[in-house]
Amino acid sequence: EGQLLESGGDLVQPGGSLRLSCAASGFTFSSYAMAWVRQTPGKGLEWVAGIWSSGVKTDYADSVKGRFTVSRDNSKNTLYLQMDSLRVEDTAIYYCAKDKWSFALDIWGQGTMVTVSS
Amino acid sequence: IQMTQSPSSLSASVGDRVTITCRASQSISTYLNWYQQKPGRAPKLLIYAASNLQSGVPSRFSGSGSGTDFTLTIGGLQPEDFATYYCQQSYSGLGVTFGPGTKVDIK
Repeated sequence: EGQLLESGGDLVQPGGSLRLSCAASGFTFSSYAMAWVRQTPGKGLEWVAGIWSSGVKTDYADSVKGRFTVSRDNSKNTLYLQMDSLRVEDTAIYYCAKDKWSFALDIWGQGTMVTVSS
Repeated sequence: IQMTQSPSSLSASVGDRVTITCRASQSISTYLNWYQQKPGRAPKLLIYAASNLQSGVPSRFSGSGSGTDFTLTIGGLQPEDFATYYCQQSYSGLGVTFGPGTKVDIK
C-alpha cells in the first residue's frame, strides 16, 4: 500500500505565492496520474488539479485556472502545486491523491493547511 | 457537470439499511465514485466506476446506477460507518466534480 506525504502549507498574505509538495512512496509513482483536492474546514471537497502520469497533460478547476500550476518530478517521486495570486477563498486543507481509474482516488495524503489572510 | 446528493444528512441506527442518492446534471456513463470521510481524516475510496468495490472495503457497501442517477447503499450500518459520504464524477473531458456530501449520524 502506498503513502503520500504533503508539505509546504503555511500562512500567506493575499496575492502571495506558495508551493506545495507531495512525496510518494510504496508504488510506482511514474505510472499513475495524480491529483490535488482541497477542503475548507467543515465544508465539502473541491477538485483543484490533476496531472497525467507523464506530466504532459493537466487539468484544473475553473476557480484556480491561470493561478495554480500542477507539476511532477517522476525521478523524485514528487508531486507539486505552485499557487500564485492567492486569495482568501483559497484557504483550505490541500490533499494530494493517487489515481486508480479515471481520477477515482485510492490513496490520499494527510493534508496540508494553507491559510490566506492579511 | 453539477452533482447533487440527497439527503444532505440522515440519522440512522446500527443495523439499518441506508441509501444515498447522487445525481449528475448530464450523463456520465458509470464515471462515478463514492468516498467516506470521517472528521479530521482524509477521504477514503469506497466504490469506483459506479459499482466496483474498492479493495478492503466491507461488502455491506454497494453502488449502482449509470447515466445521471446513482445510489450508494450500506446494507446494515455499523458504528464505524457514521461519517460523511461524497460522490464524485470523473467523466473524461468534462472535469472532475464532487457532490456536496451526505452526513450519516446516529439516531
